[in-house]
Amino acid sequence: GDSVTQMEGPVTLSEEAFLTINCTYTATGYPSLFWYVQYPGEGLQLLLKATKADDKGSNKGFEATYRKETTSFHLEKGSVQVSDSAVYFCALTRVTGNQFYFGTGTSLTVIP
Amino acid sequence: DVKVTQSSRYLVKRTGEKVFLECVQDMDHENMFWYRQDPGLGLRLIYFSYDVKMKEKGDIPEGYSVSREKKERFSLILESASTNQTSMYLCASSSGGFGQGGSPLHFGNGTRLTVT
Repeated sequence: GDSVTQMEGPVTLSEEAFLTINCTYTATGYPSLFWYVQYPGEGLQLLLKATKADDKGSNKGFEATYRKETTSFHLEKGSVQVSDSAVYFCALTRVTGNQFYFGTGTSLTVIP
Repeated sequence: DVKVTQSSRYLVKRTGEKVFLECVQDMDHENMFWYRQDPGLGLRLIYFSYDVKMKEKGDIPEGYSVSREKKERFSLILESASTNQTSMYLCASSSGGFGQGGSPLHFGNGTRLTVT
């Protein structure tokens, strides 16, 4: 069945460091891919999305490229800030379905 | 902006009580979802609904039921609360209807339920 695997955390980085959080997926057909962010005490917010191969989603300095050949959707940011400290979830949904499949989340802490 | 509102941020209930968690969305979305979030387990789907009065079981429906009498409102019901239902509950909505996915989920801020 469909599934998402993302790198285990927690991840701790210094401010202005480069961030990569790996995400790979298993799905039939052509899923839509998403990254969500959850700040402490809040629900999940959509960070970015991509709906077809080679699409690049971007928002707030974060980017992720839909790579069908490697079934990956890695999240990157060139220079993280303390305010980026949160839990990040990779997710997919199929165009022909209603269910979402989430990774287990990666906790990021950015220290000044 | 889509707004998904969950009626309570924090709730404390006793074992055996019947518990209602309410969720309202304001964007006329067809699909609504209830998840629970637990440390180390990520998000697990309890129930979802793709239309008024329609519901589908998710991965962990046992001990829960849902109600969707109006398009904008999706209620999660714990028939007889137990301590293992202590968790963060997240409601979400999306557009599209049955079999029409691809649209992002929009989440509420969550209800942290403690059952004692």
